[in-house]
Amino acid sequence: EAQVTQNPRYLITVTGKKLTVTCSQNMNHEYMSWYRQDPGLGLRQIYYSMNVEVTDKGDVPEGYKVSRKEKRNFPLILESPSPNQTSLYFCASSPGVKETQYFGPGTRLLVL
Amino acid sequence: AQSVTQPDIHITVSEGASLELRCNYSYGATPYLFWYVQSPGQGLQLLLKYFSGDTLVQGIKGFEAEFKRSQSSFNLRKPSVHWSDAAEYFCAVDPYSSASKIIFGSGTRLSIRP
Repeated sequence: EAQVTQNPRYLITVTGKKLTVTCSQNMNHEYMSWYRQDPGLGLRQIYYSMNVEVTDKGDVPEGYKVSRKEKRNFPLILESPSPNQTSLYFCASSPGVKETQYFGPGTRLLVL
Repeated sequence: AQSVTQPDIHITVSEGASLELRCNYSYGATPYLFWYVQSPGQGLQLLLKYFSGDTLVQGIKGFEAEFKRSQSSFNLRKPSVHWSDAAEYFCAVDPYSSASKIIFGSGTRLSIRP
């Protein structure tokens, strides 16, 4: 089944404790992206990647890192999480320009 | 500033009634335009998209949207809503037609009155 998977789905952590949220797609898509969703703000793009080893900042990249060593994986790294990073995170992928983005199920993160 | 605006935070309509959700954007060129739906506890699903051509776009689940260049709008419509349409709806814009940046509106929550 074609899908985007994220792990973990739920995570509670403390300020400053590094964490990684994984994202994997099995559709051989070139384009992948991370968003955070906050009430009243919709989805805001954190980082995106047009292909392996090609990443760029979205609208809210501060406090986040990403890597794209393989086409299928696009992990989101929070080196030193803070409470303002408490949010619902979505990973998405698409074949490229003009193509539909497919979203993962989301990861709900709480930073205490 | 460049933006995507969904002026209605929450809309309630009766089952069987018609629906229109508003979306306006402020980018200069004609961007790529999308509508997504998010059911409770779920990820986002694409309803429809507009890149060029016919300004009336048909999507899944009986939804359609009309691009009006003069009004910088891309409103979503459905002639008769069903209880299962209760969800949050997001308008999104790819302002540079490059798939590199997708800007989402803040969303409109749709409730259905029995």
